[in-house]
Amino acid sequence: GNSVTQMEGPVTLSEEAFLTINCTYTATGYPSLFWYVQYPGEGLQLLLKATKADDKGSNKGFEATYRKETTSFHLEKGSVQVSDSAVYFCALSGGSGSARQLTFGSGTQLTVLP
Amino acid sequence: SQTIHQWPATLVQPVGSPLSLECTVEGTSNPNLYWYRQAAGRGLQLLFYSVGIGQISSEVPQNLSASRPQDRQFILSSKKLLLSDSGFYLCAWSLGRDSGNTIYFGEGSWLTVV
Repeated sequence: GNSVTQMEGPVTLSEEAFLTINCTYTATGYPSLFWYVQYPGEGLQLLLKATKADDKGSNKGFEATYRKETTSFHLEKGSVQVSDSAVYFCALSGGSGSARQLTFGSGTQLTVLP
Repeated sequence: SQTIHQWPATLVQPVGSPLSLECTVEGTSNPNLYWYRQAAGRGLQLLFYSVGIGQISSEVPQNLSASRPQDRQFILSSKKLLLSDSGFYLCAWSLGRDSGNTIYFGEGSWLTVV
């Protein structure tokens, strides 16, 4: 079945630092890949997604590229802000699982200090 | 545009009491509906999903049940809560069957069983 492995946190960075959160997956076929963000006390919001190999998803300065050869979908941002402090979840759907269900990683807590 | 509403937002219930969390989606028809649970400091676990009225799939054996009495209404219930049922419950929706379709989450319901 599908699985997602995410870089363990917590991650603490200073404002304007470069961010990378690693995500790798296990799935047969061609899953779709997602990054969701959860701000304190809130539900999950879609941050970005990619539905086929070599696609790059981007939103709010965050980027992630679907790398089928390394089965990865690492999240990056060139200059983080205090407002980026949240929990980030990598997820996939399709592949060897249902196309209508998401399999999540365990989440990575990011704290950005001023 | 589509919106998802989930209530109550917070709930404190004694062990052995019943539970009812309700979720409704507006602005779309025949959505796929989901209940996820997020235990403290952990990732998200899919509990139930539904592709249509009266069609419920359970992913994890547990003390909970789900019902879909109307197209855009999804209810999570329990007859007798356990301490281990405490957590953050998220309702979500999506459309179609493609793995690339985004799943959208509600704001969540905090349940504390005491």
